[in-house]
Amino acid sequence: EPEVTQTPSHQVTQMGQEVILRCVPISNHLYFYWYRQILGQKVEFLVSFYNNEISEKSEIFDDQFSVERPDGSNFTLKIRSTKLEDSAMYFCATRPGQTNYGYTFGSGTRLTVV
Amino acid sequence: AQSVTQPDIHITVSEGASLELRCNYSYGATPYLFWYVQSPGQGLQLLLKYFSGDTLVQGIKGFEAEFKRSQSSFNLRKPSVHWSDAAEYFCAVGRMDSSYKLIFGSGTRLLVRP
Repeated sequence: EPEVTQTPSHQVTQMGQEVILRCVPISNHLYFYWYRQILGQKVEFLVSFYNNEISEKSEIFDDQFSVERPDGSNFTLKIRSTKLEDSAMYFCATRPGQTNYGYTFGSGTRLTVV
Repeated sequence: AQSVTQPDIHITVSEGASLELRCNYSYGATPYLFWYVQSPGQGLQLLLKYFSGDTLVQGIKGFEAEFKRSQSSFNLRKPSVHWSDAAEYFCAVGRMDSSYKLIFGSGTRLLVRP
């Protein structure tokens, strides 16, 4: 079964540093998402991405965050200057088409900001 | 605004006993409803989904859920719980718009007694 691959699985970074989280979507999927789960809390929507642009973003997704597909395959989430409260599990998810709700989630990247 | 409520933070059942996890949603139109399971340190696995049609939905691992519009509920059930079912369970509602994002409940942690 096709998978969404996320790297790294764990990342520890110092406060104020930039991090890039990477995701390889399923090849024929067109819609890409990042979700975040702070330890012990619910999964929260960050951003959706389609046709090389953001289609929706949440209040959490402020100017410190950005997404792109730099090479047409990887889908990345960048946090420019990490804060302690950015520590969370970040999930990438992809979906095939406009009327297909068949999400596939990656296994997540655990980000720890120290 | 859309929201999902899972009123039980923890539930403990004995192995072999039946299980029901509650989920209530708030949404202005016909919702797309999902149940996901998350084992510790793992990603999100889709158990089942409801889009339309038969209100009793069968999923993987012997789970089922029933959509009750009058009660705005989508409760997850399993007739006989196995020790391997111990995990966190998330109910989610999907918006059918440009982003198709998912809104998650806060989760219910299931503990299984031997």
